[in-house]
Amino acid sequence: EADIYQTPRYLVIGTGKKITLECSQTMGHDKMYWYQQDPGMELHLIHYSYGVNSTEKGDLSSESTVSRIRTEHFPLTLESARPSHTSQYLCASSVFGGNSYEQYFGPGTRLTVT
Amino acid sequence: GQNIDQPTEMTATEGAIVQINCTYQTSGFNGLFWYQQHAGEAPTFLSYNVLDGLEEKGRFSSFLSRSKGYSYLLLKELQMKDSASYLCAVSRSDLFFGTGTRLTVIP
Repeated sequence: EADIYQTPRYLVIGTGKKITLECSQTMGHDKMYWYQQDPGMELHLIHYSYGVNSTEKGDLSSESTVSRIRTEHFPLTLESARPSHTSQYLCASSVFGGNSYEQYFGPGTRLTVT
Repeated sequence: GQNIDQPTEMTATEGAIVQINCTYQTSGFNGLFWYQQHAGEAPTFLSYNVLDGLEEKGRFSSFLSRSKGYSYLLLKELQMKDSASYLCAVSRSDLFFGTGTRLTVIP
C-alpha cells in the first residue's frame, strides 16, 4: 500500500486565484513528480524532483511552480489560475537509484477553474 | 527522445484473453512498466520488465523484447473490472508514459 497523499481531492476556483496543490509521501522516497492529465488523455510530466532543493521542469510546459523543502512534501502552485488549467493533477514518488523505478501515485486533485 | 506506441482502444469479451502491445523507441532504457488506470483514478502498478522474457503475475503477464523495442501485456480470464486504460511506460532516468490503451470488457 503506497502512502502518498494529495489535497484537496477536488477544487473549483475562480480565474485569477492563487492555488497550491499539496502532495506528501511517507515512504522516504527521493524522487517526486507532478503529472497533468485531461480526462481520457495521456499523462504529461510537468515537474519532478530528485530530492530536497531539486526541482526540474518536465516534458509539458506548465505555468505552475513547485518546491521541495522537505523530502516528504512537494507542493505545486499556480499563481493565477485560468480555465486552461482545468485538469487532473497527479503526484507520484519513487525511490531513486533502486533496481525498480516504480512510481507510486497519489489519488489526484481534480481542478476546475471557472 | 522517446516514442511509445500503443493501440488507442480495444474491446474483448469477459472470460477471454487479450494482448495489449506496446512498441517503443528510446535513447537509454532501464526497463518497462505497465500500469492500470480506471477512469478518474490514479494509475496503479501492474508489472515491471527489465530483462527479455515473460513475467507472470496471476491473470496478468508482461513480455519484453529489448532488441525489438516491444512489449505486451496479456490479460487472461477477463473480468468486467478489467475495463480500464493500460499504460505502457519506459524507464530511463524517469518514466515516460505512452498514451494508454482503453480496454472495454463486454459480457
